[in-house]
Amino acid sequence: EAQVTQNPRYLITVTGKKLTVTCSQNMNHEYMSWYRQDPGLGLRQIYYSMNVEVTDKGDVPEGYKVSRKEKRNFPLILESPSPNQTSLYFCASRGLAGGSGDEQFFGPGTRLTVL
Amino acid sequence: KQEVTQIPAALSVPEGENLVLNCSFTDSAIYNLQWFRQDPGKGLTSLLLIQSSQREQTSGRLNASLDKSSGRSTLYIAASQPGDSATYLCVPLGNDYKLSFGAGTTVTVRA
Repeated sequence: EAQVTQNPRYLITVTGKKLTVTCSQNMNHEYMSWYRQDPGLGLRQIYYSMNVEVTDKGDVPEGYKVSRKEKRNFPLILESPSPNQTSLYFCASRGLAGGSGDEQFFGPGTRLTVL
Repeated sequence: KQEVTQIPAALSVPEGENLVLNCSFTDSAIYNLQWFRQDPGKGLTSLLLIQSSQREQTSGRLNASLDKSSGRSTLYIAASQPGDSATYLCVPLGNDYKLSFGAGTTVTVRA
């Protein structure tokens, strides 16, 4: 089954304690991205990756890091989380634009609370 | 930059009514268009993918049409049920991998 997986699904942590949210897709997609969703603000892109070792900032990258060492994985790293990073996070991947598999997939979401 | 508008912003109907959700987008140079639903605090579930070569796509009680030239898509939900209550998002897929989201249409179906 084609899917994007994220872990953990729920996380409560404290300010300053480094954390990583993992993301993996099984569709061999080049393109992966991270979004956060906050009430009234919709989905905002944090970082994206066009391929292995190729990453770039989205609209709200401050306080986040990513890496793309393997095609299937795209972890989101919060080196020193702060309460304003409390949010619902989604990992996403997409097939080649215009290709036969051009479809957007989202992970199930990670609910992060930073105290 | 692609801009997406969804009308109405909110819809409240009694069970059994048919629903019509409208989506317009400014850049018609898209490959496909997807409709998603999202329950409060939950993930995005893909409902329908309409490829640019198609004019409509159906799945059960759902039917979506696409008019690329006019930059419009419509999602029809027949015989609505309380379980259809959610926010619905349309997402055009073009050359720009960065997605553009509208604010969605929040549907409430009253039992």
